[in-house]
Amino acid sequence: DAGVTQSPTHLIKTRGQHVTLRCSPISGHKSVSWYQQVLGQGPQFIFQYYEKEERGRGNFPDRFSARQFPNYSSELNVNALLLGDSALYLCASSLGTHSNQPQHFGDGTRLSIL
Amino acid sequence: SQQGEEDPQALSIQEGENATMNCSYKTSINNLQWYRQNSGRGLVHLILIRSNEREKHSGRLRVTLDTSKKSSSLLITASRAADTASYFCATLVNTGNQFYFGTGTSLTVIP
Repeated sequence: DAGVTQSPTHLIKTRGQHVTLRCSPISGHKSVSWYQQVLGQGPQFIFQYYEKEERGRGNFPDRFSARQFPNYSSELNVNALLLGDSALYLCASSLGTHSNQPQHFGDGTRLSIL
Repeated sequence: SQQGEEDPQALSIQEGENATMNCSYKTSINNLQWYRQNSGRGLVHLILIRSNEREKHSGRLRVTLDTSKKSSSLLITASRAADTASYFCATLVNTGNQFYFGTGTSLTVIP
């Protein structure tokens, strides 16, 4: 079975632009979460979606938004990009919400802001 | 902000030795999970321990949890070069639905 897939793998943008990152969960998984990982640090929780509804939101500005589609895939959108948005963006899927279930991660999208 | 803090930040050992890394967290949790991340890759789930459990084993991994001290440890026995990676603890806080990762321990196993 395919794991979590993310696209694109790498992306270069300039300040002020917007970006859309995509994630396809493992088949049968209904929950998708997004994380930002800055170099040398642990992942920071951005959003969790379950059954197309937002179930959790981390401490990120409104420039960050996401949605989940009927096939449980998800998009993360970031507007008005800042230099500080440069990071590895990770998507993780699980069968249900977070409680007592492992999360399965994709290899991420490396976003560089110039 | 980070909920968990791993200690040490970096650890270098010889192949065959045991590696122990610790995690401290701040608030009450539902469960604690350990993940491994190879350079430039996503995280891989290693083991989950529930808040009512004290110890759990999986292959060469042993995890302990002390909720009174808000801490956990991950022991990797008979380490191999392939264990070289960063290791993170992650906690699901009782309130809300947020999943917090620690700062990570970078483990290097020298062949």
